[in-house]
Amino acid sequence: QQPVQSPQAVILREGEDAVINCSSSKALYSVHWYRQKHGEAPVFLMILLKGGEQKGHEKISASFNEKKQQSSLYLTASQLSYSGTYFCGTAPDGDMRFGAGTRLTVKP
Amino acid sequence: EPEVTQTPSHQVTQMGQEVILRCVPISNHLYFYWYRQILGQKVEFLVSFYNNEISEKSEIFDDQFSVERPDGSNFTLKIRSTKLEDSAMYFCASSELGRGSYNEQFFGPGTRLTVL
Repeated sequence: QQPVQSPQAVILREGEDAVINCSSSKALYSVHWYRQKHGEAPVFLMILLKGGEQKGHEKISASFNEKKQQSSLYLTASQLSYSGTYFCGTAPDGDMRFGAGTRLTVKP
Repeated sequence: EPEVTQTPSHQVTQMGQEVILRCVPISNHLYFYWYRQILGQKVEFLVSFYNNEISEKSEIFDDQFSVERPDGSNFTLKIRSTKLEDSAMYFCASSELGRGSYNEQFFGPGTRLTVL
């Protein structure tokens, strides 16, 4: 029941854009996005709710397609600080299940 | 800013020993969670806890594991007889409301458990 993320890894130059995708085989009511830096705990970025409500991070945006059971995280004009592993989390049956993560590396 | 705290930051134990990992959730939060992350792998849900009882648990959370809220502030994860494969980072998290679906979960810094 865990969501599937793609790609597994992305390498960017500072200032470039990236898209990270998350899909589920089950109906979704919300999608959470977290970022984890090496050796640290996951940190909440954004939640997308069915019906379009979105809470989020000022420089990172996301979309949620309920019909396709997919979400995408958009990182524009990436900064070095964006490096880390991005996890999407879904809770189709109640409690959170995380995807395998997308490792994002931003180089100068 | 309130935060989730965990102790110890690193625990080394011998296989077969019992360990207790401790967490202090954010004070006004009602839902508590334990996750584990084996090195280099994804974060895996273990258990959620609400109103002094387990709300949901994953297939990983077998009879070797138990959780407890012994007082008004601490939330503990006990592993009765540790195995080598229990070596991982264990994260505690809490949320204000809900079962995680509509609410941000705040993660603690984690406890690295090493089983020798």
